[in-house]
Amino acid sequence: EAGVTQSPTHLIKTRGQQATLRCSPISGHTSVYWYQQALGLGLQFLLWYDEGEERNRGNFPPRFSGRQFPNYSSELNVNALELEDSALYLCASSMPGQGRYEQYFGPGTRLTVT
Amino acid sequence: AQSVTQLGSHVSVSEGALVLLRCNYSSSVPPYLFWYVQYPNQGLQLLLKYTSAATLVKGINGFEAEFKKSETSFHLTKPSAHMSDAAEYFCAVTYTGGFKTIFGAGTRLFVKA
Repeated sequence: EAGVTQSPTHLIKTRGQQATLRCSPISGHTSVYWYQQALGLGLQFLLWYDEGEERNRGNFPPRFSGRQFPNYSSELNVNALELEDSALYLCASSMPGQGRYEQYFGPGTRLTVT
Repeated sequence: AQSVTQLGSHVSVSEGALVLLRCNYSSSVPPYLFWYVQYPNQGLQLLLKYTSAATLVKGINGFEAEFKKSETSFHLTKPSAHMSDAAEYFCAVTYTGGFKTIFGAGTRLFVKA
């Protein structure tokens, strides 16, 4: 069974540009979660999507947004990039119902803003 | 506020020695508890989980953790460290309200030969 996949592996952008990160969950998983792992700041919860709807959001500005498609894959968009957005962005997925509590992580996208 | 505290950002042990990584959480209701491991430049891999069944949870690679409600702790242990255990370990708590997961700051484990 394929795990959570993320693309691209690395992304280099300049300040002010927009970045789009993609995530494909494990087959059968309906929830997708996005986390930011910046150096020295640990994992910070960004967004949770379930059945195509945004269910919860972390303490991030509105320029961080995303969506979930009918096939449960997801996109994270970061507008007006700032230097401090440089981080590893991790996507996780989980099953519906009680399986929701166990998240499976992808390898991440390393975003570098110059 | 809900929080997860991992005591010690760095822990160093000798190969063959006991590994003990500490995790405490704040919660007014029983949460779901997890330990994840992250190797360099990789995502997080689930080591073990507590979901209100047995308080002593066994995971992969010889790790186990004990849920102690009275101490609000979920410490991770392994009887004998291997060089391959060197990685960063994260304790995480998922609260049913909003299904929000909070991660600890992580503990980097070093294993000396």
